[in-house]
Parts: sequence; C-alpha cells; structure tokens
Amino acid sequence: AQRVTQPEKLLSVFKGAPVELKCNYSYSGSPELFWYVQYSRQRLQLLLRHISRESIKGFTADLNKGETSFHLKKPFAQEEDSAMYYCALRETSGSRLTFGEGTQLTVNP
Amino acid sequence: NAGVMQNPRHLVRRRGQEARLRCSPMKGHSHVYWYRQLPEEGLKFMVYLQKENIIDESGMPKERFSAEFPKEGPSILRIQQVVRGDSAAYFCASSPRDRVGDTEAFFGQGTRLTVV
Repeated sequence: AQRVTQPEKLLSVFKGAPVELKCNYSYSGSPELFWYVQYSRQRLQLLLRHISRESIKGFTADLNKGETSFHLKKPFAQEEDSAMYYCALRETSGSRLTFGEGTQLTVNP
Repeated sequence: NAGVMQNPRHLVRRRGQEARLRCSPMKGHSHVYWYRQLPEEGLKFMVYLQKENIIDESGMPKERFSAEFPKEGPSILRIQQVVRGDSAAYFCASSPRDRVGDTEAFFGQGTRLTVV
C-alpha cells in the first residue's frame, strides 16, 4: 500500500534562511506527488505538483525516484510562509490522495 | 463562486447520537471527496463520490459511516451512534474531474466534530 512520510512535525527557521520540508513515499507504481499548504485559519490548497515542475511562491520540489523523495525547498524563507504543509501522493490508476501527517513550518523574524 | 462550503464548522454530539456533515462543492464540480484528520495525524481518505454514485469507499469504516451525494443538494457524511474516537476534523474536497490533483482540487474549511 502507498504511504507518505513527513518526518518532521515541526520545523522552525529564521527569515531569509533556506528551508527544506522532507517528504518520502512508498508506492510500487509510478506516483504523482503534490504539496498542499494550509495557512492559519484558511483551507487546504494546492501549492505545487511534480508533473508541472513549477515554482510557486519561491518553492520548488523535485521528485527523486531513486530516493523515493519529494522534498519541498525554498532558498529564502519569508514570515508569510509559516503554515502547515502536507505532502500527498496519488496512485496512477486512482483518484484519491494519500497524505503525509504534515509539517508545521514557522518562520521567525 | 464561494468555494467549497462545509457546515457546520463545529459540531458537538453526545455518544450515541448521529452526526451529519454537509459539503457543497464548488459550482460546476461533480466530484466530491471526504477526508478525516484525527488529532496529531494526517488527512486520511474516506470516500469519493460523484453525483448519485459512490465511486470509492475503501477508506470508510465498515459500520456507522455512510455518505451520499444526491442529484440535488450537498454531499452528506453521516455518522451514526458516534463514539469518542470519531472526534476529528472532516474535510471535503471537490473537483470538476475524476482525478483530484489533476486540476486543482478545492478543499472546504472542514467540520470539527467533538463527541462528548
């Protein structure tokens, strides 16, 4: 069965520092990976997906099939990046998303 | 477009009562997904519905839980004879297609159920 692991429940960095939120997955097929973000008092929203290879709000994530990872990175964190981040995997044949347990990122001034 | 609307935002039920959670998808969306988030855990898939059909209910507990998405009106997640372990945040998402994440999936703000 597929599984998504986010090893850090909490991550705290200073403004301007690089940040990396880790995500590892296990899935026997070829997965599709996503990052979702939930800002305080707001709903969960899609941040980026690996197939788009895009950069959103300065964040990027590269799918590493060899290491089965999809870490989220940003070179210079901003205070407004403070939020809960969820990594998610979708099976190639299905519709449902499997979520990790989330990482609460706090960017300190 | 008001987005995905879930109500109520907070629901308190005594053990043994029924809980009904409602989800109105975005306009034009005919696919609805329900997720549950237990305390200190990630979101867990429960069920995927299209209008009048349950497509995938593999994440639903076998007893006491049911879901529907009628032709008219919101999707309903129903929990009968609630127990303390049902206390959680329940999130609904909708999409215009059958692959959440293929287009942007929109989530509601969730219903926080507390069983006392």
